[in-house]
Parts: sequence; structure tokens; C-alpha cells
Amino acid sequence: NAGVTQTPKFQVLKTGQSMTLQCAQDMNHNSMYWYRQDPGMGLRLIYYSASEGTTDKGEVPNGYNVSRLNKREFSLRLESAAPSQTSVYFCASSEAHGTDTQYFGPGTRLTVL
Amino acid sequence: AQSVTQLGSHVSVSEGALVLLRCNYSSSVPPYLFWYVQYPNQGLQLLLKYTTGATLVKGINGFEAEFKKSETSFHLTKPSAHMSDAAEYFCAVSPRSGGYNKLIFGAGTRLAVHP
Repeated sequence: NAGVTQTPKFQVLKTGQSMTLQCAQDMNHNSMYWYRQDPGMGLRLIYYSASEGTTDKGEVPNGYNVSRLNKREFSLRLESAAPSQTSVYFCASSEAHGTDTQYFGPGTRLTVL
Repeated sequence: AQSVTQLGSHVSVSEGALVLLRCNYSSSVPPYLFWYVQYPNQGLQLLLKYTTGATLVKGINGFEAEFKKSETSFHLTKPSAHMSDAAEYFCAVSPRSGGYNKLIFGAGTRLAVHP
């Protein structure tokens, strides 16, 4: 099993450009998440999908959109990138209950110039 | 709102010394509690978690943590540090209510281990 995979690993954008970060999991998990990690701030939830067909905002959703394409895939889109979106982005998946472990992908390092 | 505080953004220990990483949460109802580790240029992986039952929880790589309700704490310890323990450690909580798995992370503690 590959677990949680993310593409691309690295990306450099200019301000105003758009891009989509891809995430897929092969663990048959119901829930998927997008986080951003910034120095000194831990991980902050951008959006999550509790189950296939649903998406909800997390703590920092502004400037992002998501699509739960199917049970396996959950994408994050930046429509008009800004320097404040320079960060490391992690996708995660889990079963739905609060006791369940979240499994993380390797991350995408995004720089917006 | 729930929050997680990790005391000390950087901790440095000698190889073989005790590792103690501190975590306190703020919530009237004790949440589910997690410790995750992040090695350089990798994603996070679970070290251990407390959901119910025994308050001393053992995890991978010799780490353990104790839930203390009276102190709203879930500190992570390891009796003897190895060089391979150098990483960033995150404490996280998940509310017992709400019906889904939502994690709130602390800011992280970077552990350095020196010879």
C-alpha cells in the first residue's frame, strides 16, 4: 500500500497563477483533510471531507477550494495564488471517528513569488 | 474553542538523557489526545494516542505519555534519547463531541539530540 500520496512535491508559482494539488489514499478511508504547515504555527486545517460527497471549511479556508473527486481522491485548488500561501501543504486521511489516526502524505512545498 | 500549548519550541538533550516534551490542552471536557512526529522533509506519523482507559500510553520507538486530567496535560517522555529521535513533535487534540475526526495541533517542539 502506498498510503497517502501527493503531487507535486515542489512547486513555484507567480502571484496570481492558479494550481491544483492532488492527493490520493488507498486505505479506503472515509475522511480526508488538507492542512498547511507554517513555521511556529503547527498544522492548520484548510478544508476537510468527512465522507465522499461532502466538504467543509476548516480554520483557514480563504483563497482555497477543494474537490472530493471520489472516495480515494481529494484535491486542493489555489485560484489566484498569493505570497501568503507560501507554505508546506499536507493531505491526510482517516476513518471518521475522533479516536482514529490520521495518516499523512509527504507534503507539497509551495512557494509563491 | 479548544487549543493546544506546547511549552518550548526547541528542546536539546544529550544522547542517553531523558526526553520530556510538554503539552497542555484547554477544554472543559478532556479531548482525545495524540502525539505525532515529523522527521525532516517527511509527513507526520502517529507516535501514540489516548482515547480512554489507562492514562499512561506507550507508543512507538520507546515513547510514552501520561494523561493527567487535573493538570490538563499530556506530556511525552522517553527515558533515553537516541540520535534518531531528532525530529519535530506535535501534540494534537480531537474533541470528543462533534462526530468526526478533527485534529487541532500545537505549534510543535523541535527536538535536537547531541552526542
